[in-house]
Formats: sequence, structure tokens, C-alpha cells
Amino acid sequence: GQSLEQPSEVTAVEGAIVQINCTYQTSGFYGLSWYQQHDGGAPTFLSYNGLDGLEETGRFSSFLSRSDSYGYLLLQELQMKDSASYFCAVRVSGGYQKVTFGTGTKLQVIP
Amino acid sequence: GAGVSQTPSNKVTEKGKYVELRCDPISGHTALYWYRQSLGQGPEFLIYFQGTGAADDSGLPNDRFFAVRPEGSVSTLKIQRTERGDSAVYLCASSLSGGGATDNEQFFGPGTRLTVL
Repeated sequence: GQSLEQPSEVTAVEGAIVQINCTYQTSGFYGLSWYQQHDGGAPTFLSYNGLDGLEETGRFSSFLSRSDSYGYLLLQELQMKDSASYFCAVRVSGGYQKVTFGTGTKLQVIP
Repeated sequence: GAGVSQTPSNKVTEKGKYVELRCDPISGHTALYWYRQSLGQGPEFLIYFQGTGAADDSGLPNDRFFAVRPEGSVSTLKIQRTERGDSAVYLCASSLSGGGATDNEQFFGPGTRLTVL
């Protein structure tokens, strides 16, 4: 099976930078995704790392280290609208996109 | 184009009843996924369709749960003899092809909140 660990809650100040870590244990690891979910809303895709290193998409970046079974999501220039839950999700197959989600990190951005 | 839609948005039923939840994926997406999400948890995989066939139903909790996708587009999740523990938000997602190095994003619908009294 798979297991993922992320902090349950993080609080950060508007305009600051925050990093949300994710460690995983799985066999057949293929890649790591990140999703954002606002309260009452649908999860929305943020990024995917299939290879080691940093992927940057605007204010959001995601990092993966396969050797450490570790990844993180970096959010820069935090805005109030970034307050949401953030999920890392492990993809275990190249054949199809089955993913296992972590329990999520609730980010609160304060003024 | 429209995103993934799910109906109903809310469903309240009594223990022991039968329910059907519907998902309309993005047009042209061959891969469709069902998840269940409880409060404070991440989405939990239930079943994956590639086209009309259920390619992986390993996440269905028991034989009260069943899903179909007869024409490779709309899917229906069916729950028989509902129990209070089935109460959750049921999410549907679709992706372009379901696999490969370039298809990495799933598009989620708004979910159906199921409450079993």
C-alpha cells in the first residue's frame, strides 16, 4: 500500500513564503502531484513531479527527491485566497493515473 | 467547454435505501475516476474507468458499491442498502487518457454530498 505524511495545519502571513512538505512510502512510485481544495470546493490540480527537481508554475513551485521519498510545495507571495487545503498525491503507475492522496494540509493565510 | 459535472449536489437518504450518483466528465476524456472524501481527509480512490470498462475497482469498499459507464461518457455510482458510514462527499474526476508521462492532471467535479440518516 501507500502512505503519505503532511502537516495537518500551517499558518502564514500574507505576502510571505510557505513550504508544505510531503513524505511518502510506496512501492512502484511513478510521480507526485499537488492539488488545492477550498472549503466546499473541488480539488484542483497544481503541479506534478515525475523527475527529481523543481517545477515552477507562477507563484507555486513543487520539488521532488525520489531518493528521499520526499517532496514539497512552495507558495510565494501568499495571498488571502491561498487559504485552502493542499494535498500531495502519489501516482504509482505509468499505465494509468491512479493516485493516492494524503490527508491534506490546511493553510491559513493571515493579514 | 464545460468542466466535470455531478448530480445531485446533495443527497439525503435513509439507511437501507438505494442511491445513484451521476458524473458527466469533460467531453473527450476517456479516463474517469470516482473518489470518496470524508471530512478532514483526502479523496479516497474507489474505481477507475478507461472508456466503458472498469479497469480498476480495487477501492470499492464492498459489494454494495457498483459503478457503470455504459457509453464511455457519463458514469453512475450506485450504492445499495446505504449505511450511515457511507455518508461522505463523492467526487468524480476525469482525465484525457488516464496514463502516460504527459497526462498527469485530473479534473474534479464539485462532488455529491451524501448523507445517510
